[in-house]
Amino acid sequence: KQEVTQIPAALSVPEGENLVLNCSFTDSAIYNLQWFRQDPGKGLTSLLLIQSSQREQTSGRLNASLDKSSGRSTLYIAASQPGDSATYLCADHTGNQFYFGTGTSLTVIP
Amino acid sequence: EAQVTQNPRYLITVTGKKLTVTCSQNMNHEYMSWYRQDPGLGLRQIYYSMNVEVTDKGDVPEGYKVSRKEKRNFPLILESPSPNQTSLYFCASSHPPGGGLRGNEQFFGPGTRLTVL
Repeated sequence: KQEVTQIPAALSVPEGENLVLNCSFTDSAIYNLQWFRQDPGKGLTSLLLIQSSQREQTSGRLNASLDKSSGRSTLYIAASQPGDSATYLCADHTGNQFYFGTGTSLTVIP
Repeated sequence: EAQVTQNPRYLITVTGKKLTVTCSQNMNHEYMSWYRQDPGLGLRQIYYSMNVEVTDKGDVPEGYKVSRKEKRNFPLILESPSPNQTSLYFCASSHPPGGGLRGNEQFFGPGTRLTVL
């Protein structure tokens, strides 16, 4: 069974800093990997989707990379802002199911 | 607007009283699924459906039922809710994994917060 891990569980950075969130998975036979943002008590907002054949995807200040062979994905956030404070989740698509990490709670301090 | 809707958004009930949480999508997605989210455990898949009349267990199916009689709807049924089913529930849809539309994006509903007393 696929296992997805996100480290660290929590991260606090000053505004303006660049940061990297990590996601690792045990089974490299994934179809894709998706990054989400979740605000407290709210639903999931899709940020980026990387297909298994791709190495990275970019959207604005966000860049996600995928290395299937090592079972890792990273989400890079440039020039962080207080509005980026949220929990970030990664999920991979393996077989017929989706598997989520437990998330990284990000706080950007003004 | 493309969306996944869930109802109700909030529900407080008592042990043993049957309930249904509805889920509907308007994107003509074949694949739909239900998740529960609990602190420290993340999102875990309860049931999924590859298409109409095709459903399968996810990682935590005990105590839940689903049905898929129409493509757009995928209700979650708790026949006899218990306090350990208190959680935040999400419905999601996408095109199916694998095949000609492999690796498509999941779209999530707004969530249903269920409390079982």
